[in-house]
Amino acid sequence: DAGVIQSPRHEVTEMGQEVTLRCKPISGHNSLFWYRQTMMRGLELLIYFNNNVPIDDSGMPEDRFSAKMPNASFSTLKIQPSEPRDSAVYFCASSFLYEQYFGPGTRLTVT
Amino acid sequence: GESVGLHLPTLSVQEGDNSIINCAYSNSASDYFIWYKQESGKGPQFIIDIRSNMDKRQGQRVTVLLNKTVKHLSLQIAATQPGDSAVYFCAERDEGGSQGNLIFGKGTKLSVKP
Repeated sequence: DAGVIQSPRHEVTEMGQEVTLRCKPISGHNSLFWYRQTMMRGLELLIYFNNNVPIDDSGMPEDRFSAKMPNASFSTLKIQPSEPRDSAVYFCASSFLYEQYFGPGTRLTVT
Repeated sequence: GESVGLHLPTLSVQEGDNSIINCAYSNSASDYFIWYKQESGKGPQFIIDIRSNMDKRQGQRVTVLLNKTVKHLSLQIAATQPGDSAVYFCAERDEGGSQGNLIFGKGTKLSVKP
């Protein structure tokens, strides 16, 4: 298995632009997680899905952030409009039971 | 101005020595714990896990100890190698919380001197 796949690996955009991050979980996993990692706040859970249904989105910073999981093999995290404080590394992880497998992350820079 | 980031605890060890990384957790209802390793520029990688009905579990060169009385978790790495240099996170699962949700600690940076 290729593991969790994320794209793009790096994204540089200007403030106000829409950003879409993509994730393909490991086949057979039924839970998917979106995290944000910064030097200031460490690793933060934004939202997670179980069987494609959002279970807990309490970590989503504000309405500018939205996440979808249209099917078991794909999820997106969208930021619209983006702001410089959104600059971070965004990780997607998937799991079947408890152990979460992380993707390589998307490094987002908003200028 | 100068940015202020998380001040990660740092452990510096000599190559070949044993390393012990500690973690305090807060939720006595947590029933499952994981240690992750994160190398620079990569995502966290699973190392070893332990359930709350155990107090010790061994893997290859790693051992996790769980002390539920004082809510303390430790990761022991035997014969530490330069490739072990990374940030190590402990994570806990709340038995009463949302299924699958892990709560991550702030991390400890391990630096191995050759």
